[in-house]
Amino acid sequence: GIQVEQSPPDLILQEGANSTLRCNFSDSVNNLQWFHQNPWGQLINLFYIPSGTKQNGRLSATTVATERYSLLYISSSQTTDSGVYFCAVSNTGNQFYFGTGTSLTVIP
Amino acid sequence: ETGVTQSPTHLIKTRGQQVTLRCSSQSGHNTVSWYQQALGQGPQFIFQYYREEENGRGNFPPRFSGLQFPNYSSELNVNALELDDSALYLCASSEPGIDTQYFGPGTRLTVL
Repeated sequence: GIQVEQSPPDLILQEGANSTLRCNFSDSVNNLQWFHQNPWGQLINLFYIPSGTKQNGRLSATTVATERYSLLYISSSQTTDSGVYFCAVSNTGNQFYFGTGTSLTVIP
Repeated sequence: ETGVTQSPTHLIKTRGQQVTLRCSSQSGHNTVSWYQQALGQGPQFIFQYYREEENGRGNFPPRFSGLQFPNYSSELNVNALELDDSALYLCASSEPGIDTQYFGPGTRLTVL
């Protein structure tokens, strides 16, 4: 299967700070998604981004498929951004491989 | 439009028992995938159902089985429960031709 590594594993930020989360994957993919898991376990879609750059408010993401990595940028962080961020990839369309996540804590 | 729903929310079973978890996919979605998420880990793919047929399976033993119904809702059945089966079980649905998965809130299973 595809190996997915996320870094850093843990991140503590002051409210208002910016951060970059990274996802490296071991094989070519045709599907990459970023999710935010809230403290109750719900996974929320952030981006579907197999290549290129997308922005949604304070969040943006970039995937460089040829170099097998993706970055998630969070600007002006808020306490509600706290949680675990996962990257998930697939090259078959059915089986997705998740990383172990980046746990983000934003303190006021 | 309702999102993906799962039931029950929490469940406690003892080793050796059997359990059935349920998932209702989002309206218009004909593909359902199941994942197991152990504490502190990322979700692991169990299997996917497309139009009532299994369409891919991860590295899980046969005691993990599933069904998809004509209305695209789905069940995950686990026989002969083991302590290591304690986890959050997540269901995700997607619609034809769209690759984004939408997750339900999960069922937290504890095996004692």
